[in-house]
Amino acid sequence: KAGVTQTPRYLIKTRGQQVTLSCSPISGHRSVSWYQQTPGQGLQFLFEYFSETQRNKGNFPGRFSGRQFSNSRSEMNVSTLELGDSALYLCASSFGPQDRWTTEAFFGQGTRLTVV
Amino acid sequence: AQSVTQLDSHVSVSEGTPVLLRCNYSSSYSPSLFWYVQHPNKGLQLLLKYTSAATLVKGINGFEAEFKKSETSFHLTKPSAHMSDAAEYFCVVTGGPGYSTLTFGKGTMLLVSP
Repeated sequence: KAGVTQTPRYLIKTRGQQVTLSCSPISGHRSVSWYQQTPGQGLQFLFEYFSETQRNKGNFPGRFSGRQFSNSRSEMNVSTLELGDSALYLCASSFGPQDRWTTEAFFGQGTRLTVV
Repeated sequence: AQSVTQLDSHVSVSEGTPVLLRCNYSSSYSPSLFWYVQHPNKGLQLLLKYTSAATLVKGINGFEAEFKKSETSFHLTKPSAHMSDAAEYFCVVTGGPGYSTLTFGKGTMLLVSP
C-alpha cells in the first residue's frame, strides 16, 4: 500500500514568487492536513481538508491557501513568498477527519522549501 | 485549548541504557495522544497511540508509553536504547470538538552514544 506522497521534495524560490505543493494521500483516506515545520516554531498546523472541504485553518496569513480535489489529492499554495516561509512542509493523511476519534495520521516525507 | 509540553529539548543516553522522554498535556476533553519519531530529512512515523483503551500502550521498536490522567502525562520509554533510536520525538495531542487538529510538542532530540 503506497504511503503519502509529496511533490516536489525540494524547492528553491525567490522572494515574491508563488509556489504550489502537492500531496497525494493514502488510497481511501479522505483527510489531508498540512503542517509547517521550522527550527524556531516547530510543527504548526496550516489547514485540514476533508472531502474537499476545509475543516480547519491554522493561524497563518491569507498568502497560504489550499484545496482538495475529488480524488482526495491536495495542493497548498503560498503566494508572495517571504524569507520566513522557508520550511519543511508536511502533509498528513487519515481515513476520517482529524478529531478526538482519530486513530492515526500518516505523514509524507515533506517538501523542503527554501526562499532566497 | 489543548497543548503539549515536552519537558526536555535534548536527552542523551548510552546504547543499552533506558530511555525516558517526558510529555505533559493539557486538554479540555479526553484526548487522543500520540508519539511520532522523525529521523533526519524524513517525515514523521507513528510510534504509538493512546485512544482511551489501555493506559499502557506498546508501540513499534520496543517503545511504550503510559497515559496517566491524574498527572496529565504521557511519557515515552524504552528499556534499552539502540543507536538507530537517535532521532527527534514528538508528543502529539488531539482533543474534542473545536480542537480537531493535531497539536505537536516542540520535540525532544534523542542522542545515543556508543
